[in-house]
Order: sequence, then C-alpha cells, then structure tokens
Amino acid sequence: ETGVTQSPTHLIKTRGQQVTLRCSSQSGHNTVSWYQQALGQGPQFIFQYYREEENGRGNFPPRFSGLQFPNYSSELNVNALELDDSALYLCASSRGGSTGELFFGEGSRLTVL
Amino acid sequence: AQKVTQAQTEISVVEKEDVTLDCVYETRDTTYYLFWYKQPPSGELVFLIRRNSFDEQNEISGRYSWNFQKSTSSFNFTITASQVVDSAVYFCALSEEGNAGNNRKLIWGLGTSLAVNP
Repeated sequence: ETGVTQSPTHLIKTRGQQVTLRCSSQSGHNTVSWYQQALGQGPQFIFQYYREEENGRGNFPPRFSGLQFPNYSSELNVNALELDDSALYLCASSRGGSTGELFFGEGSRLTVL
Repeated sequence: AQKVTQAQTEISVVEKEDVTLDCVYETRDTTYYLFWYKQPPSGELVFLIRRNSFDEQNEISGRYSWNFQKSTSSFNFTITASQVVDSAVYFCALSEEGNAGNNRKLIWGLGTSLAVNP
C-alpha cells in the first residue's frame, strides 16, 4: 500500500454534469499530481500541485481544475462532463525535490453516460 | 518532443519462462529520468525502478533486471523465471529534470500487458 487514498472508487455521471474527485496524499508528501488513464492507454498528465499552487499542467481544457489544501490533500474537478472523460483518474503524491518517484492511489473510475 | 514507445502490446508466457519488455524513448534533454511501473488489475501503479540518464549501469533486483542503453535510447525490463503474480500491465515512463524543488510530469508509454500462465 502506498498510503495514497482516493475517493470515490467508482462513479457514474451523465454528460454535462460536474464531478469532484478526492485524494489524500502520503504523509510527508507535499506534491500531488493527477493523471487520466483511458482504457488501454498510458496515464496522461493533467496537472500537479505543489504547496497548494498549480505547478505544471498537461494538455487538458480549463474545465479540468484542481485544488490542494493545507494538509496537501487534493481535489480534481471536472465541469461539463463529456463522454470522452470516461477514464480512470489517478492521483499520485511525492515529496517536492525528489526526482519523480510517484506513489499512486488506486484511482477513481469515472463513467460518463 | 518527448515520447515513450512500448512496441509490445501483449505478451503471454508460461510460468518460469524469462520475458523481456521493451521500452524506447525520445528526448532532447541531456538530463532525464526513466521509470518502470507495474499496474495490477486493482489499478494502482506500483513503482519498480528509477534510472537517471547519467547512470547506465544495469540493475538487478531479485527476479527483475533492467538494461539501460543510451546509445539506442532503450530501457528494457526483464523478468526471470516469471510467476503468475507477475501478470499485470507494465509501463515505462520518462521525466525531464524539473525546476529546483519540484517534480515534473511523466510521459508514459502505452504499456505492455503481460500474462503469465500456469
């Protein structure tokens, strides 16, 4: 176990709705990254939060937004859901300054109907 | 542009066979990091190894070994005497050296699905 927990584990939404996914990072980690993994694909970087500020963003539209809280937990919000947003959303925590070893949660599987 | 290619989509072996998973990468950076992660059916990505671009020494960890060759931009992963529990999707990933103090994003391959049959 990595100590990274995500909720909910599964959810179903309809097009146009909004969703919030949550992530608790491993103790001692101040950096959280979010990835989208479509079926049969590798993870795609959405964005990263470091000490409560966005620190890098992938090629995702503004309707994907996030927050990091003082305890370094994080939320991913997706507005105006589209069918293509159906995927496994993975949260990874790490220590700032480390060279990229990410500790992943088990993900939130989102289905958009 | 950075890119990671895992040409093998699926591999099926019989238990105790050795298997090598290929990874080829592209980057213009001189400093970068390469990773392998394992993703079992539960979905959680499990870190296996990190290698920086200046360290071409091969590494062995139990039944796992990695062969890093900068000349061919490859970072291959070999499982010796495979076991059923090795069945998973394996991802190779690439990261540039980040700004001081912060991590950077990983660029991932599409993964290789390994099935080890009894």
